[in-house]
Order: sequence, then C-alpha cells, then structure tokens
Amino acid sequence: SAVISQKPSRDICQRGTSLTIQCQVDSQVTMMFWYRQQPGQSLTLIATANQGSEATYESGFVIDKFPISRPNLTFSTLTVSNMSPEDSSIYLCSVAEGDTEAFFGQGTRLTVV
Amino acid sequence: AQSVTQPDIHITVSEGASLELRCNYSYGATPYLFWYVQSPGQGLQLLLKYFSGDTLVQGIKGFEAEFKRSQSSFNLRKPSVHWSDAAEYFCAVGAKGGTYKYIFGTGTRLKVLA
Repeated sequence: SAVISQKPSRDICQRGTSLTIQCQVDSQVTMMFWYRQQPGQSLTLIATANQGSEATYESGFVIDKFPISRPNLTFSTLTVSNMSPEDSSIYLCSVAEGDTEAFFGQGTRLTVV
Repeated sequence: AQSVTQPDIHITVSEGASLELRCNYSYGATPYLFWYVQSPGQGLQLLLKYFSGDTLVQGIKGFEAEFKRSQSSFNLRKPSVHWSDAAEYFCAVGAKGGTYKYIFGTGTRLKVLA
C-alpha cells in the first residue's frame, strides 16, 4: 500500500486568504484525488489530479476556487482560494494504482476564521 | 441516482458486545464496496473490500462484511468490540474498473463503553 503524507496537518486561516495543501506519495501512482469532508458530513470528491494536464473537477467544484497541480507521479497540491468559513473542512488526498482500493492521507484540517 | 446510506449516525455498544453497522447502496452498475475507518485526527484506513467472489469478506481488526445483492447491502460486523474500535466508519461504493470515484455514506460514529 502507498504511504501518503499531507502537509500541513492542520491550519487556521483568515478569510480571504489562500492555503496550499501538499500531498506526497512514496511511490509513483497513476491516480490522485482530492476529497473534502465538511464538519459532520461525508467525503465528497473535489477533483482528479491529472499528471501533466489540468485536473478534472466534479460538479460543484471549480478550478478558480480549488486550483490543483500535479507536476509528477508522486506529488500534488490543492489550493483553497479566497477562503470563507464555509471552506472549513478536512481535505484528503487519495491515491490509487491499478484495479484496487484507494488509499487516503491523514488529511488537512482547515479552519477559516 | 447513486447513493450510499448509513442509517445509523451514532451507535453505542459495550466493550465485548457484538457490532453491526448497516450500509445500503443504490448503484447502477455492479459495485465495488468498501468499509473505511477514521479515528480522530487520522485519515481513512481500509477495513475491507468486496470486488467479487465470496460475499462474506474478512478484513483487518477482526471485522467482516457481507454483500447481499438482493438487499443492496454491505453490513459490517464484529463479534466482540474493543475500546480501540471507537471511531467513525464509512461505507463506500465505486465502479468496477477502478475509476475510484467513490461515493461515501455519511458515516457511523461508534462509541464503546468500558
């Protein structure tokens, strides 16, 4: 199984600012994803991070708000832009390789004040 | 519409008692099914998965789950709960072929009484 490291593990940010979350995997993986878990809610897929091309966003999520980079097969970033308190959530990086289950990082707990 | 339902938001059991967490899904295709556990401040850890074959699957930490196609269910069970099992449990479904666009249930928070 892949080992996924997310940074930061938590942060408290001022509204109107942006935060970039990093996801590092210990091996090359084809698929990387970003999920959001709002307080008391389940996980919702934000986007698929595609290596060398623009991310594929799910309905309700846009690139201007959640720009994603994936420069190689082991690393991705998610930026939460122009934050508001409604963006307070846990953001999780997920990876998968082949026809198996997805693995998740420990998450970044974001609080916007 | 594709969905996953975990009817129980909170469950409290005594240590040593048996446990069953319910999961029902609505999915157009033959699903892949998963149970993940999330401990406080931690990411999601895979407990078990069902892709095909035997409908009773064994997972880590003594958990098992049974896929019942006729009931569109994938309930998680453990015969004897330990205090360390207190966590939030998520059922998820995904499409065959590994698209990994998982649909998660809303989770069941398990509390274990000493």
